Amino acid sequence: EVQLVESGGGLVQPGGSLRLSCAASRFTFSSYSMNWVRQAPGKGLEWVSYISSSSSTIFYADSVKGRFTISRDNAKNSLHLQMNTLRAEDTAVYYCARDDCGSSGCYVQHWGQGTLVTVSS
Amino acid sequence: QSALTQPASVSGSPGQSITISCTGTSSDVGDYYPVSWYQQHPGKAPKLMIYEGIKRPSGVSNRFSGSKSGYTASLTISGLQADDEADYYCCSYAGSSLYVFGTGTKVTVL
Repeated sequence: EVQLVESGGGLVQPGGSLRLSCAASRFTFSSYSMNWVRQAPGKGLEWVSYISSSSSTIFYADSVKGRFTISRDNAKNSLHLQMNTLRAEDTAVYYCARDDCGSSGCYVQHWGQGTLVTVSS
Repeated sequence: QSALTQPASVSGSPGQSITISCTGTSSDVGDYYPVSWYQQHPGKAPKLMIYEGIKRPSGVSNRFSGSKSGYTASLTISGLQADDEADYYCCSYAGSSLYVFGTGTKVTVL
């Protein structure tokens, strides 16, 4: 069973920084693209960022572009999200999610349990 | 990229069928890109229910089915059960924005 375990969440002041990590196991991490998806309290899901298996392709949602940086370490089976200049609206549960692709498209099948980031003074 | 449009809530009695719609644009749902559907119980991570528009992952009940017509994708739950009460989200690939999720639908089993 695929396992994704996020860490690094917590309380941070507006304008501050936080680095999230996701430890992947029970699958060949280096073969899969990965995503970060977030969910603000009581709100819907919002895709945040994507990184390809070799880190050659990276995408960000407009809401985080220029402030967040996604990265991965295939040797350590880990995914990261460096979040800078945090705003109150970044408060959310952040999920690490594996990208899976079939014959006609891609989707997210495996999710971590999430880590809560709270931006507040 | 704007969120895909879903009804805020849908309800049904046990054993009934319900359908959740997901409306997008020519840049996402209406384009070639297939839709996936997720179930989320309170405090839990989302669970994939339908992918590539109509396919079910192993272990997902055949009571769940997906379809699409034009710019609208749909999730149908037949033989509604108490455990189906949850939030449901559609999701479509959206070019450089990669994924766009729906606004979410709360399903209530009466």
